[in-house]
Amino acid sequence: KQEVTQIPAALSVPEGENLVLNCSFTDSAIYNLQWFRQDPGKGLTSLLLIQSSQREQTSGRLNASLDKSSGRSTLYIAASQPGDSATYLCAVLIKAAGNKLTFGGGTRVLVKP
Amino acid sequence: KAGVTQTPRYLIKTRGQQVTLSCSPISGHRSVSWYQQTPGQGLQFLFEYFSETQRNKGNFPGRFSGRQFSNSRSEMNVSTLELGDSALYLCASSLDGGRDRAQYFGPGTRLLVL
Repeated sequence: KQEVTQIPAALSVPEGENLVLNCSFTDSAIYNLQWFRQDPGKGLTSLLLIQSSQREQTSGRLNASLDKSSGRSTLYIAASQPGDSATYLCAVLIKAAGNKLTFGGGTRVLVKP
Repeated sequence: KAGVTQTPRYLIKTRGQQVTLSCSPISGHRSVSWYQQTPGQGLQFLFEYFSETQRNKGNFPGRFSGRQFSNSRSEMNVSTLELGDSALYLCASSLDGGRDRAQYFGPGTRLLVL
């Protein structure tokens, strides 16, 4: 059974510092891994998707890496801003399991001005 | 292209009642999945529908059911509501044939059971 873990559960940084968010998963037979952002009481916004054959993806200040063999992904957010304050969730899509995503518990980020 | 839409956005029900939530996927997307999000359990998969057929099901009691229509719109129904059903219900749509199989989420329906 696939399990996804995100540590730490919460993180507070001063504005301008780089953010490093971790995600680990137990079963390496994944199709892809997606990082999402969730603002309080809102839905999920897709940030980055990494295919199982890829090592990293970049979008603006965001960079996500994937090491399938060790079951880890890292989301880097450069030069954090107060607007980056949100909960960040990672989720894996397992091969041959339709479109069922398995989510981590999320990391709640606070960027202080 | 319009995103995933969910209606209603907020609902208040009492124990024992039933509720129906609706999800309209992105145009062209044929897969719709439903998730329940609570502070204690996080995001949990309910079920997935593809081409009007349930393709995957999570570990929820039979009170939770769903269906998908020919236009890919989906509904989920919860019967005999319990206090523990209070949650944010999210649906996601996917092209499911696309190379990356990215999932796109709607804004959610917040259900409060009193």
